[in-house]
Amino acid sequence: AQSVTQLGSHVSVSEGALVLLRCNYSSSVPPYLFWYVQYPNQGLQLLLKYTSAATLVKGINGFEAEFKKSETSFHLTKPSAHMSDAAEYFCAVTDTGGFKTIFGAGTRLFVKA
Amino acid sequence: NAGVMQNPRHLVRRRGQEARLRCSPMKGHSHVYWYRQLPEEGLKFMVYLQKENIIDESGMPKERFSAEFPKEGPSILRIQQVVRGDSAAYFCASSLLGQDNEKLFFGSGTQLSVL
Repeated sequence: AQSVTQLGSHVSVSEGALVLLRCNYSSSVPPYLFWYVQYPNQGLQLLLKYTSAATLVKGINGFEAEFKKSETSFHLTKPSAHMSDAAEYFCAVTDTGGFKTIFGAGTRLFVKA
Repeated sequence: NAGVMQNPRHLVRRRGQEARLRCSPMKGHSHVYWYRQLPEEGLKFMVYLQKENIIDESGMPKERFSAEFPKEGPSILRIQQVVRGDSAAYFCASSLLGQDNEKLFFGSGTQLSVL
């Protein structure tokens, strides 16, 4: 069964610093991987998704993620944090041929001025 | 072009009462998913429905919980005889084709509080 593990429930960075949110997946078949963002009192919004077309995926708001099969990782990065990036971020996985998206526990990002 | 609409946003129930949560998917979407979110636990899959069919209910508690997505009208998540442990945010999501590489569109959730 597929699953994702997000390392670090809370991450704090300074404005302008690199953002790195970690995600490792476990899947018996090639997966589809997603990053979603949740702002307070809102539903989740898609940041980016990996569907095997390219290992480096660019998303909205300057975020990107790299699929590394050898490390079973799909870490999310952004070169320079902005105050508006403060939110909770969820990594998610769907098995090829599956129809159920499984979410990680989430990482809350804090951005300090 | 309205997104996924959930109501109510907040629902307060006393122990033993019934809770009915509604979800209208995006226009044209016929695939609905329900998730439950507890603090520090992320989203837990509950059930996946297509119009008039339950496709996967592997995340639904065996008792007191049920879901439907009728031919007409919104999807309903029903919790009978609520207990304090049912307090959580319940999110509905929809997709157009129900494919594995397709993104989900989420509603703003219903926060259920059981007194």
